[in-house]
Amino acid sequence: RKEVEQDPGPFNVPEGATVAFNCTYSNSASQSFFWYRQDCRKEPKLLMSVYSSGNEDGRFTAQLNRASQYISLLIRDSKLSDSATYLCVVKGAGAGGYNKLIFGAGTRLAVHP
Amino acid sequence: GAGVSQSPSNKVTEKGKDVELRCDPISGHTALYWYRQSLGQGLEFLIYFQGNSAPDKSGLPSDRFSAERTGGSVSTLTIQRTQQEDSAVYLCASSVRQGNTEAFFGQGTRLTVV
Repeated sequence: RKEVEQDPGPFNVPEGATVAFNCTYSNSASQSFFWYRQDCRKEPKLLMSVYSSGNEDGRFTAQLNRASQYISLLIRDSKLSDSATYLCVVKGAGAGGYNKLIFGAGTRLAVHP
Repeated sequence: GAGVSQSPSNKVTEKGKDVELRCDPISGHTALYWYRQSLGQGLEFLIYFQGNSAPDKSGLPSDRFSAERTGGSVSTLTIQRTQQEDSAVYLCASSVRQGNTEAFFGQGTRLTVV
């Protein structure tokens, strides 16, 4: 089983749609959680951290369920510029590597007019 | 510069040759990561340095791969006797160790083994 698993995608949605991405992680001792965004042929960049109480940043909402070891990202009112690959990232997921960042394989989002 | 710097940005090498990839992290960042990303794939963890602690080498795919970090700053990833399957983008990231902190990535080195 992979340490961090994501929806396979791709998600093809029209502008204005709401889309949700899911992620699960295997190590219950994991400490910190993030969503990164990666544009085609670019490096990943932090989209938002994920806090236990859930957090929102504009159109983006992240949720964490530690009991289920589940993370989600909700994007409301999708824009063309949201088209990218979204990476679920868990810190401290690896055996003995409590500060190691482990990336999911990513979910590709394509927003069309 | 203010960001993570990697060099070279592109490297084409012949199968069997050794290559060195360089990463210059953000000043003051004690954590440094190397990842590999093949075309259309996710990020594969290679190695992690944290301050003066022993590095976490658990992701290195074979003994042809090694990395060092001198003086807690610049890091070099070395691939010996390169193979075609080593072709990928090699990404370096750095972060401040403590807390729920962001990792900043360099733009990567695109390695092509022919």
